[in-house]
Amino acid sequence: SQQGEEDPQALSIQEGENATMNCSYKTSINNLQWYRQNSGRGLVHLILIRSNEREKHSGRLRVTLDTSKKSSSLLITASRAADTASYFCATALNQGGKLIFGQGTELSVKP
Amino acid sequence: GAGVSQTPSNKVTEKGKYVELRCDPISGHTALYWYRQSLGQGPEFLIYFQGTGAADDSGLPNDRFFAVRPEGSVSTLKIQRTERGDSAVYLCASSLQAGGPSYEQYFGPGTRLTVT
Repeated sequence: SQQGEEDPQALSIQEGENATMNCSYKTSINNLQWYRQNSGRGLVHLILIRSNEREKHSGRLRVTLDTSKKSSSLLITASRAADTASYFCATALNQGGKLIFGQGTELSVKP
Repeated sequence: GAGVSQTPSNKVTEKGKYVELRCDPISGHTALYWYRQSLGQGPEFLIYFQGTGAADDSGLPNDRFFAVRPEGSVSTLKIQRTERGDSAVYLCASSLQAGGPSYEQYFGPGTRLTVT
């Protein structure tokens, strides 16, 4: 069964706007990761945040983690058409090992 | 190779047949993972290997599914007596090590399995 629930399921914005996606999970975790997937095939790792971290940045990406609420958010600033993809959060219960994915948010960025 | 490769990229088989899906991880990666993804869903964990041994096979849905990694590199996912419900994209990933600071998993392009 899936651990994560993502919200919204779909998001459509204009180029240049910011996109925010949320993820909630059910059990204690070691770390949470965000992945991007184009065309329903291979996933690309975006960013990892550990359970003792609250915020992390990577380029135009900002991830927050609230372990008390068991939730995370991914913010993409100044979006581009090339950001159009599905975005998944994935939780790791232990160091390494399996990832448990949410159902994903489908982001569409219109030029 | 430069990334994780999977063969075949597409496989169409008839219900009841046996299939093998192959994964070549990134050279030097000791951990290898199999997931499957149905349309509109996130990937679902199946099994992962640390070296040659299966460290966690809790995601295999039933005994028709089996995976091996005999030399600690290439892995084969085997599905016996395929059913239409097995149709999905099967994803393979590898990481430098399963338990350590390098948790990032690198995914292959997947094998799309269609059971008719």
